[in-house]
Amino acid sequence: GQSLEQPSEVTAVEGAIVQINCTYQTSGFYGLSWYQQHDGGAPTFLSYNALDGLEETGRFSSFLSRSDSYGYLLLQELQMKDSASYFCAVRDRDNAGNMLTFGGGTRLMVKP
Amino acid sequence: DGGITQSPKYLFRKEGQNVTLSCEQNLNHDAMYWYRQDPGQGLRLIYYSQIVNDFQKGDIAEGYSVSREKKESFPLTVTSAQKNPTAFYLCASSRSGTSGRRLYEQYFGPGTRLTVT
Repeated sequence: GQSLEQPSEVTAVEGAIVQINCTYQTSGFYGLSWYQQHDGGAPTFLSYNALDGLEETGRFSSFLSRSDSYGYLLLQELQMKDSASYFCAVRDRDNAGNMLTFGGGTRLMVKP
Repeated sequence: DGGITQSPKYLFRKEGQNVTLSCEQNLNHDAMYWYRQDPGQGLRLIYYSQIVNDFQKGDIAEGYSVSREKKESFPLTVTSAQKNPTAFYLCASSRSGTSGRRLYEQYFGPGTRLTVT
């Protein structure tokens, strides 16, 4: 089986930097992705890491350490619109087919 | 504009009734997925399909059924056998492939919020 752990809630102030961690346990691993979901909305794809290191896309960056089974999403220059839930997701090699397993999500609240 | 549509946005049903949720995509994606999301929870995979006329069970397929007769369409039926059907249902699609960004970049529809009383 597979499992993903991420904090349930994080609070930060506008303009700050916040890091959302994700640890995973899988028998196989193809990569880690991150999705953003605003309340009542559809998840949207943010990033994907298959190799160790940092991937930067504008204000958002994502990091992966395969040896530590760990990754994080880094949000810089926080804006009020970044208030949302963030999910990490992995694919376990044992799954037959292209199934993704999502973490429980981290609710980010950005305060003025 | 390409995208995924789900209808209706809100759906109310009486217990014991089957209900079918619609999902249509015009992104020319081979793979389609159905997820269930409960309040404050992550997404759990119900069914997925990598190609027309083929689909696989996900983690929580009991009480649900699907069909994939056309590439564009992947309807989900919530049957009376599903013990707790009230939830937010999300349909998604992606390009086909077994690894890499193509798999991880899933495109989601706006969702259908089903309430069964």
